[in-house]
Amino acid sequence: QVQLQESGPGLVKPSGTLSLTCSVSGGSLSSYYWGWIRQPPGKGLEWIGYIYPSGDNNYNPSLKSRVTISVDTSKNQFSLKLNSVTTADTAVYYCARGPRLDYWGRGALVTVSS
Amino acid sequence: EIVLTQSPATLSLSPGERATLSCRASQSVDSYLAWYQQKPGQAPRLLIYDAFNRATGIPARFSGSGSETDFTLTISSLEPEDFAVYYCHQRLNWPWTFGQGTKVEIK
Repeated sequence: QVQLQESGPGLVKPSGTLSLTCSVSGGSLSSYYWGWIRQPPGKGLEWIGYIYPSGDNNYNPSLKSRVTISVDTSKNQFSLKLNSVTTADTAVYYCARGPRLDYWGRGALVTVSS
Repeated sequence: EIVLTQSPATLSLSPGERATLSCRASQSVDSYLAWYQQKPGQAPRLLIYDAFNRATGIPARFSGSGSETDFTLTISSLEPEDFAVYYCHQRLNWPWTFGQGTKVEIK
């Protein structure tokens, strides 16, 4: 059974960098996209971007200038960095397996506050 | 960006009733449309992919239909555990997008 688990700081200061890692167990990163999706409190779902094990990636144009997604196949992990954060970036951040999004992490709440 | 519009925003029904949820795309998404269920405090769960294919372990009371711009998720007879928020999602054009959700609540 494939399992995903997000990890990282739950509190980030404004103008700082949000960093999260998704650890994948029970399966290989090969042959799938691996993505980040966020959900502000009480709101809907928004794609941040995804990465393929080869390193090819795609970012949401609305966040592209601030986002980096990377992959470490040796650790079966992929990571998200979002810089210059504001309070609008406060959300639950999910990692998920694409393209069908058939496996999700439980989500990590990241609050941007001073 | 493809916009997905879900209707209604809220559906108030009783257990045992049939639920019909709609998702309309601003342009064709072919059949690259999926449905997810989300309960409070939980991650979304894949129900239907590529318009009409049930995901592994999803009960037969859930069915999807449609193509191009108009899609429907039908729950034939609501069970107590089906009361949740449902999202549609397209993966034809990047950025992939979600609808705003339909909440199915107990009447």
